[in-house]
Formats: sequence, C-alpha cells, structure tokens
Amino acid sequence: GAVVSQHPSRVICKSGTSVKIECRSLDFQATTMFWYRQFPKQSLMLMATSNEGSKATYEQGVEKDKFLINHASLTLSTLTVTSAHPEDSSFYICSARKTGGTKNIQYFGAGTRLSVL
Amino acid sequence: GQNIDQPTEMTATEGAIVQINCTYQTSGFNGLFWYQQHAGEAPTFLSYNVLDGLEEKGRFSSFLSRSKGYSYLLLKELQMKDSASYLCAVRDRLKRFGAGTRLTVKP
Repeated sequence: GAVVSQHPSRVICKSGTSVKIECRSLDFQATTMFWYRQFPKQSLMLMATSNEGSKATYEQGVEKDKFLINHASLTLSTLTVTSAHPEDSSFYICSARKTGGTKNIQYFGAGTRLSVL
Repeated sequence: GQNIDQPTEMTATEGAIVQINCTYQTSGFNGLFWYQQHAGEAPTFLSYNVLDGLEEKGRFSSFLSRSKGYSYLLLKELQMKDSASYLCAVRDRLKRFGAGTRLTVKP
C-alpha cells in the first residue's frame, strides 16, 4: 500500500504564531502533493499543488505569503501557516499522488486540525 | 469551470442498498473518483471511473456516464460503519471535490 504521514495531527496555537505541517509519503515517491483545507461539514478545498523542486501553484484566493509551501524532496512537503489568526482554524489535509499506473490515485494524510486562539 | 453536485444528506437502513448520485460539469474530463470520509478523518479512496460503465468492488460499485455528466456510488448490504460522508471528485487538470453526501445508516 501507499502511506502518507501528516504531522502534527492536532495543533493549538496563539494568534500571530506560525505553524508548520509536514506531509510525508512513506513508501513511495511523490513528485506532486496537494494541500486541502476543510471547514466543518464542507468539502475539501484545494489550496495549492506542490511540485518537488519548484514553486507551488496556488488556487485563486489563497494567499501564497500566508500559506508557505515547500516541497524540497520527493517524499516531503510542508505547509507553514504564517501569523495564524482564528479564521485560519480549520482541518488541513495533504495528499500525495503516486505516479505511474493507470489511476494516479491520491493518498491522503490523516489531516491536521489547527485551532488558533 | 467545474460544478459538482451531490445530495447533502441521505439516510438508509442497515442491510439495505443506497445509491448516491453525483452530477458534474467540467471543461475537460480525466476521471471521476469516490472517497469515503468519516468525521474528523481524511478521505479514503473507494473507486475510480474513467470509462462509461459500472465498476464493482465488493459491496461498493460506481457507475459513470460521461455523456450525461453523471455518476453514482452504490452501497450494498449497508453496515453501521458505512455511516460517513461520501465525496465525489472529478479531475480535469486538477481534482476537485463535491461537497459530499452525509450518509446515516440506521438499525
């Protein structure tokens, strides 16, 4: 199988601090990883596509300076929420696409629940 | 642009069959996915359709009609653990998700 590890699973921080979330593909290489945000009872909203070795592609309305993405290796992408505010409180989920094969299935991390006080 | 519509909530009885529909509009099409998501957890992959027809995998089946922009997920022999949200996702350039259908299975 393909496993994606996301850490931390839960973080509570004060307003104004920065929070880093890690997404690792444990047993496969992922040239592309995705970062989603999900509000309660709503669907996943794609924030950005992270490509190894290049700049991330952000969806419309997502502030790149607010949500910093780094994809320095084929197994690790990080999302840093800078100067977090209460409205950034949400469930953040990463996924990694296992290239090759016919399906190009995305495998999801367990998610990070961010609460900004 | 891309619109993905699916019912917000459904209720069914344990042991029964339920069909969750998904309609979509997209400028391009490169596959339709169904995911299951339990509350507070990440989605898990259920099925993938890129050609018209029915894909069966155990108790779950997924159907696609590209000409109609329509898919359904069929769950048979419902179990209580099937209570979850079911997300329809369509990929053109990128994969985008519908809002999900919250299924409640009752005894």
